[in-house]
Amino acid sequence: QVQLVESGGGLVQPGGSLRVSCAASGFTFSDYYMAWIRQTPGKGLEWVSNIVHSGKTKNYAESVKGRFTISRDNAKNSLYLQMNNLRAEDTAVYYCAREFFYRYDHWGQGTLVTVSS
Amino acid sequence: QSALTQPPSASGFPGQSVTISCTGTSSDIGAYNYVSWYQQHPGKAPKVMIYEVTKRPSGVPDRFSGSKSGNTASLTVSGLQAEDEADYYCSSGAGSNNMLFGGGTKLTVL
Repeated sequence: QVQLVESGGGLVQPGGSLRVSCAASGFTFSDYYMAWIRQTPGKGLEWVSNIVHSGKTKNYAESVKGRFTISRDNAKNSLYLQMNNLRAEDTAVYYCAREFFYRYDHWGQGTLVTVSS
Repeated sequence: QSALTQPPSASGFPGQSVTISCTGTSSDIGAYNYVSWYQQHPGKAPKVMIYEVTKRPSGVPDRFSGSKSGNTASLTVSGLQAEDEADYYCSSGAGSNNMLFGGGTKLTVL
């Protein structure tokens, strides 16, 4: 069955960097767009970024453009999100999700990123 | 781009029907038939319940249905059951390969 497992979350100071990862299994990873979606504690969902099958095209929400970089390694069935210059408002649970025609049909369990001094 | 607008809460008694709205603009909901609805129970990841406005993934009960009129999409849950109590989020394509989510609606089964 499809599994997405995020890792790499943690506590980081404002202005710091962190990379979160997502290990995928149970499907042909290179056939799908992938996305990062975050959820602030007790609040709603926010689309962060997505990446096409090959990794050549990447899209970002305005709130993270220039600070976050999405990437993938199809040989390792892995998705990544490099987050730089982190701000308090980036504190959230970060979900990895499989994207299929503008819907997210499988989600990971999420990894918590806390930006605080 | 702003988030899609949902009512913060909705409620109904078991067996009743409840409809949750999701209002966007002519640049997102009004422009694309890529509206999805997600159900999220506490401490769990979201689960897609409706996609492409009206379609249900396999395994989702037919008590869940979706529709769209202009810039507003709706999710209707018929024959409410206790396990339907959850947060519900809408999403829509928004051009330039972006996606928007709604702020979420907490559905309470009374």
